[in-house]
Amino acid sequence: QVQLKETGPGLVQPTQTLSITCTVSGFSLTSYYMQWVRQTPGKGLEWMGFIRSGGSTEYNSEFKSRLSISRDTSKNQVFLKMNSLKTEDTGVYYCARVYTEAKGGYYFDYWGQGVMVTVSS
Amino acid sequence: DTVLTQSPALAVSPGERVSISCRASEGVNSYMHWYQQKPGQQPKLLIYKASNLASGVPARFSGSGSGTDFTLTIDPVEADDTATYFCQQSWNDPFTFGSGTKLEIK
Repeated sequence: QVQLKETGPGLVQPTQTLSITCTVSGFSLTSYYMQWVRQTPGKGLEWMGFIRSGGSTEYNSEFKSRLSISRDTSKNQVFLKMNSLKTEDTGVYYCARVYTEAKGGYYFDYWGQGVMVTVSS
Repeated sequence: DTVLTQSPALAVSPGERVSISCRASEGVNSYMHWYQQKPGQQPKLLIYKASNLASGVPARFSGSGSGTDFTLTIDPVEADDTATYFCQQSWNDPFTFGSGTKLEIK
């Protein structure tokens, strides 16, 4: 069955870089887009960006300057890296599989359990 | 960005019908989706493209709407439906979520 699991540090210092890994099973990364969404106390759920089945990426302009999404298909892993962290980046970070149709048809059919990240010195 | 507006909270009794609304600041065609999030859990897809029931979701859940006004309906409500419900649009860039409606079962 489809499973997604995020792993990452619980605590990151301000100005440092956040790195989270999403390990998937039950489907191929070359057949589905994968995305990152975060949930923060200040802004709720925010779509951060996705990596397409072909490997290209699309980012929310809110994060574009400091976010990178990549993958290793041989290991069934998707990666999030975000630099210049601030306390407002504290929240739960989720990876999710994207079901895609024609223009506009992007919805998130499977989610990981999420990883809580606290940005604090 | 497309702002999705939801009422913050609702309280209903088991067996009743409840409608949760989501209004978009600009048209999103039919590309509105609904998720359920229980405390401490990840969101779960309920409805996609306004009115399509996701796999495994009970038929008590239904969705309607197009353009800027959308509704998620639960009929009848059960105690296990206690959760926060989010709408999400995928027509305009960037994808955005509503702030959620917290449903309490009395």
